[in-house]
Amino acid sequence: EVQLVESGGGLVQPGGSLRLSCAASGFTFSSYWIHWVRQAPGKGLVWVSRINGDGTFTDYADSVKGRFTISRDNTQNTLYLQMNSLRAEDTAVYYCARAYGSGSSALKFWGQGALVTVSS
Amino acid sequence: DIVVTQSPDSLAVSLGERATINCKSSRSVLYSSNNNNYLAWYQQKPRQPPKLLIYWASTRESGVPDRFSGSGSGTDFTLTISSLQAEDVAVYYCHQYYTTPYSFGQGTKLEIK
Repeated sequence: EVQLVESGGGLVQPGGSLRLSCAASGFTFSSYWIHWVRQAPGKGLVWVSRINGDGTFTDYADSVKGRFTISRDNTQNTLYLQMNSLRAEDTAVYYCARAYGSGSSALKFWGQGALVTVSS
Repeated sequence: DIVVTQSPDSLAVSLGERATINCKSSRSVLYSSNNNNYLAWYQQKPRQPPKLLIYWASTRESGVPDRFSGSGSGTDFTLTISSLQAEDVAVYYCHQYYTTPYSFGQGTKLEIK
């Protein structure tokens, strides 16, 4: 059974940093693109970032480019999102999601999400 | 960037009736080399992550009831629920994965009339 479990969320002050983790199991982790998608309270889904299977290619939404870094450790089957210079508008539930296949594809499996709250 | 717009924002349908949600992308998501539309539909219930229903615009995900169907090509797409059940109450999102930044529609809230 495919599982994605996010951790590392919490309350952080504006300008602060936080690192989210996404522990994966039930599939060959290194074979799949993994994405981060966020959802502000009561709002819709917003794509944040993606990384390819071996970690050599990354991509970001303009709103987080230069502040967030996606990475992965295929020996630990874990995805990360390092978030720096956090702003109030980054407050959201952050989901990791596994692509259906290789390249551009729909997001087949989702974690339960980690809540990040940026507030003083 | 591709902008994806859904209509309506909310919808109330009687049990057993048809529900139709529309999705329009600001440019084509049809990839000519493989004739695939890079468009998916998700269902999200309160306090749950999204669930993939439809991908490649019209391919139903395994385990999804056949009352859910997707259609359309290029820039205009539709999600149809042929006979609404109580468990279908949710917010529905379309999603283009043709190019990054990936984008989602704003969501359509489906309720029982």
